[in-house]
Amino acid sequence: GQQLNQSPQSMFIQEGEDVSMNCTSSSIFNTWLWYKQDPGEGPVLLIALYKAGELTSNGRLTAQFGITRKDSFLNISASIPSDVGIYFCAGHILTGGGNKLTFGTGTQLKVEL
Amino acid sequence: EPEVTQTPSHQVTQMGQEVILRCVPISNHLYFYWYRQILGQKVEFLVSFYNNEISEKSEIFDDQFSVERPDGSNFTLKIRSTKLEDSAMYFCASNYRQGSTEAFFGQGTRLTVV
Repeated sequence: GQQLNQSPQSMFIQEGEDVSMNCTSSSIFNTWLWYKQDPGEGPVLLIALYKAGELTSNGRLTAQFGITRKDSFLNISASIPSDVGIYFCAGHILTGGGNKLTFGTGTQLKVEL
Repeated sequence: EPEVTQTPSHQVTQMGQEVILRCVPISNHLYFYWYRQILGQKVEFLVSFYNNEISEKSEIFDDQFSVERPDGSNFTLKIRSTKLEDSAMYFCASNYRQGSTEAFFGQGTRLTVV
């Protein structure tokens, strides 16, 4: 099946630092999504990427969809304490049935004040 | 802002018992999903539902699982005879149209099977 691997698994950074995380896939996806999950909560959509090579920003977040459609990165600039959480990439392939998302393994972000 | 709501937030059940997890998707959405997340692991797709029928399901979604949209607002996941390994967070999600990847997730139901 499709696998999405994220790196790093976890990171511990200082408040104010920039953060970068990656997601790579064994398969091609039509679209790529980045979600954030706080403890005990459901995933919240941060950024959606639709075109190969697309670079999209949402406030302090920037994400790019790789040219091969098999990878993506997410950058967070000037991290703040509320950035703490687990970040998941998710890939979507168009099927006849809807929007099955395949989630990555997650990157846990911890911010030190 | 519209949101997906799930009840209960936490369900404890004995092995072998039936459980029903409930979801109220966003009102104008047409596609509904259940995902599962075992503690410390990634989110896994279970099933998608559209036009009152299952449109896709994963290998996790075996005969012990069923989904239903009993009325115009609720979407339920039933596990007939729970096993210890069914313990997980179960997330309901919905979106408006096929091709729209922006699925909105509920806050989840934590199922603990003892």
